[in-house]
Amino acid sequence: GQQLNQSPQSMFIQEGEDVSMNCTSSSIFNTWLWYKQDPGEGPVLLIALYKAGELTSNGRLTAQFGITRKDSFLNISASIPSDVGIYFCAGGNTGNQFYFGTGTSLTVIP
Amino acid sequence: DTGVSQDPRHKITKRGQNVTFRCDPISEHNRLYWYRQTLGQGPEFLTYFQNEAQLEKSRLLSDRFSAERPKGSFSTLEIQRTEQGDSAMYLCASSLVGRNGYTFGSGTRLTVV
Repeated sequence: GQQLNQSPQSMFIQEGEDVSMNCTSSSIFNTWLWYKQDPGEGPVLLIALYKAGELTSNGRLTAQFGITRKDSFLNISASIPSDVGIYFCAGGNTGNQFYFGTGTSLTVIP
Repeated sequence: DTGVSQDPRHKITKRGQNVTFRCDPISEHNRLYWYRQTLGQGPEFLTYFQNEAQLEKSRLLSDRFSAERPKGSFSTLEIQRTEQGDSAMYLCASSLVGRNGYTFGSGTRLTVV
């Protein structure tokens, strides 16, 4: 199956720093999703984006649906230790399966 | 509602044995999905149901895999004649038609020895 390109693969940051990650696809999607996964658990939905150019926030998290509809971005401001985990993007079209990225592993150093 | 529930959480089986996993979706959700996730990778789509109808199957779903959702509520995923390559986390998710963004369960981790 298709996997989206996600970067960076891993990040080590100091508590309080901002984080940026992105996801690209060779296909056009009409929906982008961002999930966070803790070890041994299923992914948890953070943000859903439905329109090209859309910018959506959820607390300290902000995600954007790229204008080309082939990419998306996630920013985390003022990181805290509980932000540690693996972040996955997922792209799809309404009613069909979603394709997931390879994940960005985030480590926050107190 | 406690969300999407999967059972068992962990399963260790010998190669060649059959295994069955169960998923109970959020009660009002009519779509149910199965994904597989191997270490260091994102989830990969296996199949999905709308109510009791299985609408799409991935090429990853070999003939040793079968999924059912007989009454449009819970679903089972069976793997026959397990192989070591089947070792993975099997994730179930559910959603409402017309609403994107699945809710995932905690997964079943399968280890084939």
